[in-house]
Amino acid sequence: AQSVTQLGSHVSVSEGALVLLRCNYSSSVPPYLFWYVQYPNQGLQLLLKYTSAATLVKGINGFEAEFKKSETSFHLTKPSAHMRDAAEYFCAVSDPRLGSNYKLTFGKGTLLTVNP
Amino acid sequence: DAGVTQSPTHLIKTRGQQVTLRCSPKSGHDTVSWYQQALGQGPQFIFQYYEEEERQRGNFPDRFSGHQFPNYSSELNVNALLLGDSALYLCASNLGGLAGNEQFFGPGTRLTVL
Repeated sequence: AQSVTQLGSHVSVSEGALVLLRCNYSSSVPPYLFWYVQYPNQGLQLLLKYTSAATLVKGINGFEAEFKKSETSFHLTKPSAHMRDAAEYFCAVSDPRLGSNYKLTFGKGTLLTVNP
Repeated sequence: DAGVTQSPTHLIKTRGQQVTLRCSPKSGHDTVSWYQQALGQGPQFIFQYYEEEERQRGNFPDRFSGHQFPNYSSELNVNALLLGDSALYLCASNLGGLAGNEQFFGPGTRLTVL
């Protein structure tokens, strides 16, 4: 079984500060990993994904994440926060053996607040 | 491209009733997955449809059932509603063929059970 743990249900940063959202996973096989963002009253939007290519993955809106197998982590970072980054962020894992018929297992989410 | 669409946007039901939620996948996608997102939680996988068949299922009771039509659209049915079924129901679609193809999510249907 796969699982995801997101450390910190709420992270607050100042505008212009570094954003670091933590994600640790558990998986019996090398996983695929995803970060999604959810703005209020909207669905989920993919920020970036790791599918066993480069361990440093760059996504949209200036976000990036690094896959660290030894630490079973996939933390999301952004050098400088913008007000528009305020949203809920979800880390998710899937089993590559399922091919395109994969299901996503999500963490509980981290609410990011950006202060002016 | 319309993306994934879901209807209705909001729904209020009472305990014991039945509900049907609808989803149209992104153009060109053939796989539809349903997720339940309770308040303050991450989405949980309900089931997935491909070629009009349920491919895999999460840990949800048989009260949750679904269907996929030849045009790839899908329905989620929930019978004998419980208060705990109140949640945001998300539909996601992706294109079969490659592992890791992005699942695109719809805006969801907010179900409230009174």
